[in-house]
Amino acid sequence: GESVGLHLPTLSVQEGDNSIINCAYSNSASDYFIWYKQESGKGPQFIIDIRSNMDKRQGQRVTVLLNKTVKHLSLQIAATQPGDSAVYFCAETPGGYNKLIFGAGTRLAVHP
Amino acid sequence: SAVISQKPSRDICQRGTSLTIQCQVDSQVTMMFWYRQQPGQSLTLIATANQGSEATYESGFVIDKFPISRPNLTFSTLTVSNMSPEDSSIYLCSVIQGEVNEQYFGPGTRLTVT
Repeated sequence: GESVGLHLPTLSVQEGDNSIINCAYSNSASDYFIWYKQESGKGPQFIIDIRSNMDKRQGQRVTVLLNKTVKHLSLQIAATQPGDSAVYFCAETPGGYNKLIFGAGTRLAVHP
Repeated sequence: SAVISQKPSRDICQRGTSLTIQCQVDSQVTMMFWYRQQPGQSLTLIATANQGSEATYESGFVIDKFPISRPNLTFSTLTVSNMSPEDSSIYLCSVIQGEVNEQYFGPGTRLTVT
């Protein structure tokens, strides 16, 4: 099937290592920040979110960090597995709106 | 989470023609959206499909080019009109179920215009 993210920056990691994917967002008034994972041929899948009044949130093997001072968001994946290989997008929701504004995306390639 | 299906999953169309993409959700949802994902790029919101009223379009997208219908709370269509090769993209519908951050996406429709 058609691939997404052919021209996106790529992060290559070894299986078992930790991965850190970064994102710069644009709107200081955004309420929510969300990370999505998109595998080839599929729609984006929700991973984890964080509200603007938090700076860290943990899920299963994933952690999202929010730095509002520099408008930076990161996704940390612990013990990266081959199944984590995908394109990862951050998204933000402007205050008072329900729509998502997506960042550029990063392709994560996990090597055995 | 909502289960979303789209038809067709992919199509190859000739320039100048139109294609209507369907989005079906397995539960009633208030908000539905249509996004475009051009090759190798991120997702861009086209419009919010409002049930019972006209869709709300984002800057750069117009109703004549992308007419949208939302006849009920589980179904919407997006038409790509008078297609050109620049319309070759993946078109995705999404829904909000609950909070604004609980947004789920369909599998996408991969459109190629020749």
